[in-house]
Amino acid sequence: EIVLTQSPATLSLSPGERATLSCRASQSVSSYLAWYQQKPGQAPRLLISDASNRATGIPARFSGSGSGTDFTLTISSLEPEDFAVYYCQQRSNWPLTFGQGTKLEIK
Amino acid sequence: EVQLLESGGGLVQPGGSLRLSCAASGFTFSNYAMSWVRQAPGKGLECVAPIGGRGGNTYYADSVKGRFTISRDNSKNTLYLQMNSLRAEDTAVYYCAKHQGFSGYDYVDYWGQGTLVTVSS
Repeated sequence: EIVLTQSPATLSLSPGERATLSCRASQSVSSYLAWYQQKPGQAPRLLISDASNRATGIPARFSGSGSGTDFTLTISSLEPEDFAVYYCQQRSNWPLTFGQGTKLEIK
Repeated sequence: EVQLLESGGGLVQPGGSLRLSCAASGFTFSNYAMSWVRQAPGKGLECVAPIGGRGGNTYYADSVKGRFTISRDNSKNTLYLQMNSLRAEDTAVYYCAKHQGFSGYDYVDYWGQGTLVTVSS
């Protein structure tokens, strides 16, 4: 099973700041990595697929990069609605696995 | 508009059974893989079981293998999860999830609102 480790566990920032979230895989997943956003009481929402492709309707302030084992989600300038939990997920091998999440909170 | 509506959750005793259903609309159901993804209270996400568009290519997380069965009825646009021998650690919100493609080796692009399963005596 591929283990995805996200860091940091919690990130405290202010609106307007830049957020950088990391996801590291226990073995190479090529570019088969996605990022999801989850707000309290809601289902997750797909943000980025295959490491760097924004999903439909996702604002340009969200960008993804990386390949192999190291990946980054960047939010260029935080909006109030961006404070949530973010998960990475790989589709390289079964079982499909998720990281444990990074909580982005308002400082 | 894609809609996924789960039902069947509730309180069940350890060792008991439940059957979850997910009614899908707004897309050609048989063309897409579907999954059940669960989230224990305050925890992360776990893909329990995907199923391919035609009903083949089923997989199970080790934590549920031999106890849970995923199936689909494409004539009714409905996904199911039969859960037997339930344990306290199965307590979670169970999401019905649509994949981007046919096989199940794709990302989830739509999620239901979730149904809560609580296993407790």
